[in-house]
Amino acid sequence: GAGVSQSPSNKVTEKGKDVELRCDPISGHTALYWYRQSLGQGLEFLIYFQGNSAPDKSGLPSDRFSAERTGGSVSTLTIQRTQQEDSAVYLCASSSSGLRETQYFGPGTRLLVL
Amino acid sequence: GIQVEQSPPDLILQEGANSTLRCNFSDSVNNLQWFHQNPWGQLINLFYIPSGTKQNGRLSATTVATERYSLLYISSSQTTDSGVYFCAVERSNYQLIWGAGTKLIIKP
Repeated sequence: GAGVSQSPSNKVTEKGKDVELRCDPISGHTALYWYRQSLGQGLEFLIYFQGNSAPDKSGLPSDRFSAERTGGSVSTLTIQRTQQEDSAVYLCASSSSGLRETQYFGPGTRLLVL
Repeated sequence: GIQVEQSPPDLILQEGANSTLRCNFSDSVNNLQWFHQNPWGQLINLFYIPSGTKQNGRLSATTVATERYSLLYISSSQTTDSGVYFCAVERSNYQLIWGAGTKLIIKP
């Protein structure tokens, strides 16, 4: 079936504005992850959803970041009052059940905060 | 927390050459995965390899869990192999801890 999709693919915003990033996981995958990748760096874990359980938000860098997952499928990552240091590629991944499963990545959203 | 170190950070090879990429980790892990990120940013899982050896075409990987390292071998490299190769490890939960990657450039 279709892979993980993300939108928008690119987002340019002004400092202080809010942005919403969307992720559509692979159908049937119960686990969904958000990561952030700064230029030339590895991935930084942000948040993890597993089924209907409470998400693990331990990776969120500040309270300006939040995420939700509606109906156990689509997820939205929201960044409020964006700062220039928020500029990065935001990657979403899903896996069939979470623990010790291969993660499948979307193409990412490239966020630039001016 | 656990540290993941990859080497070399950069590697430039001619098409047809073989290469070995290394991933060292500082503590025992439940899972280790190798990923390839192509020049357009797409991440693809290559191997799920907490221990042992696996092969997939020109690529193979070996993880020696007791010695806390993993190796990714690329044989007869092609220009399409260019990109960044990441190693990521998982401990007692689902969170993957990522290395900084090895940037591979294959010249025609």
